[in-house]
Amino acid sequence: EVQLVQSGAEVKKSGESLKISCKGSGYKFINYWIGWVRQMPGKGLEWMGIVSPGDSETRYSPSFQGQVTISVDRSINTAYLQWSSLKASDTAMYYCVRTRYFNSWYEYWGQGTRVTVSS
Amino acid sequence: QSVLTQPPSVSAAPGQKVTISCSGSSSNIGNNYVSWYQQLPGTAPKLLIYENNKRSSEIPDRLSGSKSGTSATLGITGLQTGDEADYYCGTWDSSLSLWVFGGGTKLTVL
Repeated sequence: EVQLVQSGAEVKKSGESLKISCKGSGYKFINYWIGWVRQMPGKGLEWMGIVSPGDSETRYSPSFQGQVTISVDRSINTAYLQWSSLKASDTAMYYCVRTRYFNSWYEYWGQGTRVTVSS
Repeated sequence: QSVLTQPPSVSAAPGQKVTISCSGSSSNIGNNYVSWYQQLPGTAPKLLIYENNKRSSEIPDRLSGSKSGTSATLGITGLQTGDEADYYCGTWDSSLSLWVFGGGTKLTVL
């Protein structure tokens, strides 16, 4: 069974750093891209970027380029989304998604990681 | 402002049919596959339709997808109260080189 299991909820202060994770199981991890999607409270879905576990190729939305870093550790089938300095506006739910190609649909979604940043 | 335009809300009675539109341009819907996602309250989105009109596994044939030019449509027949959710369309935008979602449509089953 394919699963994407994300790390737990986080409560942080502005200026702090954070790294959340997404562990894939039930499939060959390197064969599928992992993307990240943000959903701010009461709002819609926003695509942040995507990484290929096979070669670590990464693509970012211009809206998030330079604001976050997407990475992957093939040895433990895990993708990451990290911030070096959080802002209150980073408060949101973050979902990881799996896709066969970087421009393809998202068949599997993680359960989401809620990030709350207080100022 | 989303690149893909969806109506903010739609509603219909149980048993009726509803359609949700998704309008884009030649750089996204016009030249790429569209997919549709359902997000029930408090849960992660779920894939309903991919490649414009193919149902994901275990999705009933009450749901259908279509595409014409730079617009796509999700149809749901035999509405049930359990269909109340937010629905999003999505596709790749070849000019922007990123994935884009519509703003989402809230379906109310009256």
